[in-house]
Parts: sequence; structure tokens; C-alpha cells
Amino acid sequence: RKEVEQDPGPFNVPEGATVAFNCTYSNSASQSFFWYRQDCRKEPKLLMSVYSSGNEDGRFTAQLNRASQYISLLIRDSKLSDSATYLCAVGAAASKLTFGTGTRLQVTL
Amino acid sequence: GAVVSQHPSWVICKSGTSVKIECRSLDFQATTMFWYRQFPKQSLMLMATSNEGSKATYEQGVEKDKFLINHASLTLSTLTVTSAHPEDSSFYICSAREGRGRTDTQYFGPGTRLTVL
Repeated sequence: RKEVEQDPGPFNVPEGATVAFNCTYSNSASQSFFWYRQDCRKEPKLLMSVYSSGNEDGRFTAQLNRASQYISLLIRDSKLSDSATYLCAVGAAASKLTFGTGTRLQVTL
Repeated sequence: GAVVSQHPSWVICKSGTSVKIECRSLDFQATTMFWYRQFPKQSLMLMATSNEGSKATYEQGVEKDKFLINHASLTLSTLTVTSAHPEDSSFYICSAREGRGRTDTQYFGPGTRLTVL
């Protein structure tokens, strides 16, 4: 089983739709959780950290479920500019992050 | 947010040559930097963890003699791909851990696309 797993997609959604991604992790000792956005042939950019209480940043909401060992990202009112690959990252010891393979989102008109 | 630069952004070289990639944290001191490699349509794979003033820690399966890492200062880490071969062609990305606030947030450089002919 992979340490961090994501559905690769692609998720094709119309503009304005709400879309959600999940990411499961296998290491129960994981302590830090992040969502990154990666555009084609570019580096990942930090989208948001994921806290136990859940957190929201504008149209983006991230949640952590430790019992079931997954994190989620919800995007409301999707924009064309949201089209990208969304990577989840999970950290355990020594600040090392393990990345999922990413979920590709394509927002269409 | 924290800014990390990487140089060069792309490089094309002949098989057998060595390529050096620089990673700099521009507005913060990074005691720890990380080097990743990403093949097309695959995830980022951590190659090594670079700590200032000490030897790098390599992930399983990564040859330390082939991928030389030097972290001589708090703002600079270098990765040298020695005797590069076509299978080393990849997107190499560094990240630096910012020590303020949440200490485990990593910020990425723009990456270096290496093509070995």
C-alpha cells in the first residue's frame, strides 16, 4: 500500500461547481498535512495547511480525519483558473513530506 | 511567503557530463533543504534531505555518489548530478523549510528540467 494515495482523476467539472478530493495516508504517526497545487511543468505551490479542526481559505476548505486517516480538499464555485493538479503531502518525522501522485482537476466553461 | 530560487531552470547536456543545480532561500534561512525528482505524470519523490553543515541524508535507492549534495550555508544547497545519463532526465525540485511559524512548511523552488542526450 502506498504511503499517500490520491485518485489521479481527471475530475472534469463545469465552472461554478463544487468539487472535493480525498487523500488517504497509511502512517498513523503522521503529524502534518498539506495541500499543494501544481500547474503543468511548474513547481508545487502551497495551497493550505490542514489542521485538525479544519480550515477554510476563501473558496477552499481542508479537513483532516485522523480516525480514518484521510484529508480532504473542497473547492467551491470552481474557476477556470483552478484547473491544476492538487497534491496532498503528509509529514511524519524530521519534516520529511511524502506526496501523493496528485489529482488532476479540469474546470470547463 | 518565503521565496526559493533555483538555477538553472533548464539544462540540456550530453551523456557523461556533470550538472550542478543551485537552490537558494532568498528571504529566510533554511537549516534544512530537500531535493526531489519528478518524472512525467508521477509524484514528487524525495531524493535527499540536506542539512546545513552536515552530510545529506539520502532516501533508499538514491546513490549518494551520483547525486552529490552540498549545503554550505543557511541559504544555499547544491545538487550535482555526476556522469549524467538519459535516465537521469527529470524535473529536479528543491524545497526549503522555513523555521518561522509552522516549522514543517516547505516552500519549493521553480525546479530544474534536466535533459540528458
